Amino acid sequence: ETGVTQTPRHLVMGMTNKKSLKCEQHLGHNAMYWYKQSAKKPLELMFVYSLEERVENNSVPSRFSPECPNSSHLFLHLHTLQPEDSALYLCASSQEPTSGGYNEQFFGPGTRLTVL
Amino acid sequence: AQTVTQSQPEMSVQEAETVTLSCTYDTSESNYYLFWYKQPPSRQMILVIRQEAYKQQNATENRFSVNFQKAAKSFSLKISDSQLGDTAMYFCAFMNSYNTDKLIFGTGTRLQVFP
Repeated sequence: ETGVTQTPRHLVMGMTNKKSLKCEQHLGHNAMYWYKQSAKKPLELMFVYSLEERVENNSVPSRFSPECPNSSHLFLHLHTLQPEDSALYLCASSQEPTSGGYNEQFFGPGTRLTVL
Repeated sequence: AQTVTQSQPEMSVQEAETVTLSCTYDTSESNYYLFWYKQPPSRQMILVIRQEAYKQQNATENRFSVNFQKAAKSFSLKISDSQLGDTAMYFCAFMNSYNTDKLIFGTGTRLQVFP
C-alpha cells in the first residue's frame, strides 16, 4: 500500500448504528486530518492530529469521535448520526515543517457515507 | 476570517484547448500559500500547483500555470493543451503561513474536457 488509504470506501448506516472509518498513511508523516466534503460546499476541516495529539476540533458534534493511536492510523468513530451527516469523509496526512514553510497535505480516496 | 470563492460551478473545454478557472480569496494576512487541487472521479485529491504569496513569479507545472494577482486577491488556474484526463473537480485552497495545519477550500469547479 502506498500513500493514504481509507476503509471502507462506501458505508451505509442507520441512525442508531455505531461504525468507524479508518485511515492509514504510509508516508511517514506526523500529522493527520479528517475533512467532510458535502455537495456544493467547501471541504470542512473536522479534526487535526499532530504527533498523535489533537490540535484542532472545528466545533464538530460529539457524535463524531476521532482517535489517533499512532502517527500512521486515524479513526473516526460514528454513533447516532443524522441524515445530514451523509457526505464524503476525506483523510489527509502531512509532515509538520520543522522551521517555516508549509506542509503539503496528501489525501486518501475518502469514504462515502450514507446515513438512512 | 479567510474565505475562498470559486464562482464557476462548471466549465467545459475541448481537448487541446486552453481553459482558465477562477478563484478569489479574502484575507488580511500578507504571508500565505495558495493551492489548486484536482479531484478526479476516483475521489483522490491531488495537488496540482502551489504559490507562495511572497513570490511575485507565477507558478508553473507543465501544462498548469497560475495567474496570481496579490493586490486583487485573485488566483486563477490555466490549463493548456487540455486532456481528457484533466476532467475532474478543481478546488482552490488557502493556507495561512502561521497556521499550516488549516487548508481553507473553495466550493470547487467541475471541469469537463470533451474530445
